[in-house]
Amino acid sequence: DIVMTQSPLSLPVTPGEPASISCRSSQSLLHSNGYKYLDWYLQKPGQSPQLLIYLGSNRAAGVPDRFSGSGSGTDFTLKISRVEAEDVGVYYCMQTLSRITFGPGTKVDIK
Amino acid sequence: QVRVVESGGGVVQPGRSLRLSCAASGFSFSTYAMHWVRQAPGKGLEWVSLISFDGTNKYYNDAVKGRFTISRDNSRNTLYLQMNSLRTEDTAVYYCVGQEVFGVVPMGFDFWGQGTLVTVSS
Repeated sequence: DIVMTQSPLSLPVTPGEPASISCRSSQSLLHSNGYKYLDWYLQKPGQSPQLLIYLGSNRAAGVPDRFSGSGSGTDFTLKISRVEAEDVGVYYCMQTLSRITFGPGTKVDIK
Repeated sequence: QVRVVESGGGVVQPGRSLRLSCAASGFSFSTYAMHWVRQAPGKGLEWVSLISFDGTNKYYNDAVKGRFTISRDNSRNTLYLQMNSLRTEDTAVYYCVGQEVFGVVPMGFDFWGQGTLVTVSS
């Protein structure tokens, strides 16, 4: 199975400041069709997860443009340009190239 | 308005069975791949199983293969998970999730239910 790692696992943030989460896969997530099979999800406290970014860099419907995703075959980054209080929660990366696996999660809270 | 509602969770003894259901509405259920994803108390997310839009292809996490069976009824917009030989480590909130797929390109897990709690305990 493809192993997903994330860093940091805990991220205190200041509203209005940028934030960044890294996700690394044990194998390249670049499909032969050119797409990167990597998604990002946010699970807010007490809620179900919600899709933020799919295929590495595509924002899901309704997701604010302060969220962006980028990355190569094995190294991916989720960036929040200016953190807002509503962005707290646990962020997960997930690969769908082979036997779907999630990263361990990064807990984001306000300093 | 999209609605995904799981049911069927509860407390069950090790070795027993349970069937989860998921009723979906507000999107084209019969064209979506569907998944079960679980989350043990205080832990992260774990993918459990996938069924293709027409039910012909099914995939399982090795941890549940041979014990769990995923199925769907597109005429009822309903997804199921039959869970047999349950173990204490199966204790988790089980989420039903819809995913749009264009050809072989997955579009992300769009629609999540609120989850149903399964507790396996003697």
